[in-house]
Amino acid sequence: KQEVTQIPAALSVPEGENLVLNCSFTDSAIYNLQWFRQDPGKGLTSLLLIQSSQREQTSGRLNASLDKSSGRSTLYIAASQPGDSATYLCAVNGGTSYGKLTFGQGTILTVHP
Amino acid sequence: ETGVTQSPTHLIKTRGQQVTLRCSSQSGHNTVSWYQQALGQGPQFIFQYYREEENGRGNFPPRFSGLQFPNYSSELNVNALELDDSALYLCASNTMGKYEQYFGPGTRLTVT
Repeated sequence: KQEVTQIPAALSVPEGENLVLNCSFTDSAIYNLQWFRQDPGKGLTSLLLIQSSQREQTSGRLNASLDKSSGRSTLYIAASQPGDSATYLCAVNGGTSYGKLTFGQGTILTVHP
Repeated sequence: ETGVTQSPTHLIKTRGQQVTLRCSSQSGHNTVSWYQQALGQGPQFIFQYYREEENGRGNFPPRFSGLQFPNYSSELNVNALELDDSALYLCASNTMGKYEQYFGPGTRLTVT
């Protein structure tokens, strides 16, 4: 059974800091990994998707890496801003025919001015 | 292009009642998945529908059921509501074979 763990559970940083969020998964047989952002009480916004054959993806100030063999992914946020405050979730797709996502519990990020 | 929409936004029900939640998939998507997100937790996969049939199910009891319609929209039905069913219910759509899923804003269900 796939299990996904995110560390830390919560993070508070001053504006401008670079930061790293961690995600680990127990079964390396994945098809892809997605990072999502969730604002309080809202749905999920996809940030980055990394296919199992890729090592990293970048979008603006965000960079996600994937080490499938060790079961780890990191989300790097450069020059953090108060608007980045949200919960960040990682989810793995086990490559089944129906693409079920298994989520971690999320990291709550607060960026203070 | 229209994104994933869900209705209603919020819902309050009493224990033992039944509820129906609705989802319209993103234009061009033929697969719909439902997730339950309890407060402070990550979403949990309930089931997926493709070509109007259930195409995979998570660890949820049979009182959670669904439908998909020819226009790919979907319903989630929950019978005999329990207090623990209080959660944010998320719908996601994708095209079968393309695994990136796009999520709707969710329906907040409160069971009292």
